[in-house]
Amino acid sequence: QVQLVQSGAEVKKPGASVKVSCQVSTYTINELSMHWVRQAPGKGHEWMGGFDPEEGDTVYAESFQGRVTMTVDTSTDTAYMTLSSLRPDDTAVYYCATVFPVPGWGQGTLVTVSS
Amino acid sequence: SYDLTQTPSVSVSPGQTATITCFGDVLRKQYAYWFQQKPGQAPMVLIYKDTQRPSGIPERFSGSSSGTTVTLTVSGVQADDEADYYCQSVTSSGTDWVFGGGTKLTVL
Repeated sequence: QVQLVQSGAEVKKPGASVKVSCQVSTYTINELSMHWVRQAPGKGHEWMGGFDPEEGDTVYAESFQGRVTMTVDTSTDTAYMTLSSLRPDDTAVYYCATVFPVPGWGQGTLVTVSS
Repeated sequence: SYDLTQTPSVSVSPGQTATITCFGDVLRKQYAYWFQQKPGQAPMVLIYKDTQRPSGIPERFSGSSSGTTVTLTVSGVQADDEADYYCQSVTSSGTDWVFGGGTKLTVL
């Protein structure tokens, strides 16, 4: 499986933004179709968006449109996910993950939103 | 609600075979992925593209597919297999990921 290493836990206040990184090894970022998924405490997995290789563009889940941005830095093989206008119910573990061409998940980044 | 439907729980004795199923219309045309998740840990992919096993995953984990149903079979269940198991696929458009609600495997 591909190795994905994410940045550390974050604590943010409501209204702030958070940027989570995901560094790829054993493959280059261009070889992967990177996606982001979150899991709130005691809840299921929620897809946030990811790269569509057929369209050659990033697709975002409707529920995150306008609040999330996913980018990549090919020089460091790192993917980034920025979520803005944070709310307490954005408290969750955020994962980078891929299924193409091989599967793999990052270790997760806990983002806590609290005043 | 979830786009993929899983039985909430399965219980088996050590050494027995556990069968975990996942249902969804998208599975008729899209691949399924299975991952194991233990409390406080990241998901670990067990099966991809319905039946393929990533390197390092024991052969006792296997996947199959038929119509709108995919199945994860765990043969010779061990105590360490006690975890939540999730199926995942993509929508018919091929872009959005969808998940099952998870099946808790209890080893008696």
